[in-house]
Amino acid sequence: QSVLTQPPSVSAAPGQKVTISCSGSSSNIGKNYVSWYQQFPGTAPKFLIYENNKRPSGIPDRFSGSKSGTSATLGITGLQTGDEADYYCAAWDNSLSAWVFGGGTRLTVL
Amino acid sequence: EVQLLESGGGLVQPGGSLRLSCAASGFTFSDYTMNWVRQAPGKGLEWVSQIRRRSGAIYYADSVKGRFTISRDYAKNSLSLQMNSLRDEDTAVYYCARDPENPYGMDVWGQGTTVTVSS
Repeated sequence: QSVLTQPPSVSAAPGQKVTISCSGSSSNIGKNYVSWYQQFPGTAPKFLIYENNKRPSGIPDRFSGSKSGTSATLGITGLQTGDEADYYCAAWDNSLSAWVFGGGTRLTVL
Repeated sequence: EVQLLESGGGLVQPGGSLRLSCAASGFTFSDYTMNWVRQAPGKGLEWVSQIRRRSGAIYYADSVKGRFTISRDYAKNSLSLQMNSLRDEDTAVYYCARDPENPYGMDVWGQGTTVTVSS
């Protein structure tokens, strides 16, 4: 069981918008920044969102992040078939002194 | 070009040992905290260990505490993970990941090295 909780899968049609939730607790998301990672099969994770809602250079503004209390959300607009991947949230946990990840969400663009 | 290159993976029997390495290039290695993250076949990401940039403070996941040892060599710009008493459940792709701390998150990842624990 992952410390952070994500839905196993989400799906939407091309051009539509999708959101992926990430639920944690006061010791992780409640007190620290959330980051998000995109992973295609057989490849390393890619840095997608940091400090809850900031995008690294090169990440399109179709990707956005937000945080409220002990939950965070990744949003993707204008869905493309190339967005089909696994998405993970992460945060530092002060009680565990550890990075904790969500279980991952598989995005399908129908 | 900023790059992390892992090596050292392979097949090992339960109870055996293996040492992973991660060669860093294209950035000032001493300016960054470093992490190991693993991914078992068909599973999600699991953080393994961290070594901080200034304090040298070290942290481990409970699942590897007492069996794994993280270290870094500033002269060689290298990160290592000594893995002892390996178990079947340690089978995974192991990634090293750069951690700027500010911004918070793991911004650069290596391509991974595969560890298989099996008799």
